[in-house]
Amino acid sequence: DAGITQSPRHKVTETGTPVTLRCHQTENHRYMYWYRQDPGHGLRLIHYSYGVKDTDKGEVSDGYSVSRSKTEDFLLTLESATSSQTSVYFCAIKARQGQGAFFGQGTRLTVV
Amino acid sequence: ILNVEQSPQSLHVQEGDSTNFTCSFPSSNFYALHWYRWETAKSPEALFVMTLNGDEKKKGRISATLNTKEGYSYLYIKGSQPEDSATYLCALTVDAGNMLTFGGGTRLMVKP
Repeated sequence: DAGITQSPRHKVTETGTPVTLRCHQTENHRYMYWYRQDPGHGLRLIHYSYGVKDTDKGEVSDGYSVSRSKTEDFLLTLESATSSQTSVYFCAIKARQGQGAFFGQGTRLTVV
Repeated sequence: ILNVEQSPQSLHVQEGDSTNFTCSFPSSNFYALHWYRWETAKSPEALFVMTLNGDEKKKGRISATLNTKEGYSYLYIKGSQPEDSATYLCALTVDAGNMLTFGGGTRLMVKP
């Protein structure tokens, strides 16, 4: 199994609070991704990174920010959580173009 | 936003049946097409990555074909087994880029 871990695995938070999800990899892969999974929408890309300090927006980036200060960590921050951000969040890593991605176990976030 | 579509959305087959489903994508600027298998309560796992028109890949009873000119890929499962029950996702990358854009998935249920 690829060395990729997400933390926390579950979180309940209140509307308006900041939340940070962490994705940690031990594979030294260049590319890292954050997706959210919602019924009827499959996996939608939030943000991705192609190197330290190199990030770009995905399809559903509004309300989210990311940071990658080290190769192994990719942080997803909800500055002010809203109920519409209740979802399951998946991190994925990829070594190079043309290769399949490895996914983390997911983080279930509930915003109440 | 890239439009990656999968059909059907769900499929029920009997054990032993062979089945196939489709991933359609815009053919311009194609770089790679990925297939993933996603079991309930687990993370997506990469099956195939295909880059060349006419590519065919095979893994056990599962195979995939790619037509980049007309923008589609087929995934075939020969002699379906209950353990094949999962959601099958395709994902597209374009322009040798880094984004992985997923389709909505096909949920396969194989009855014993």
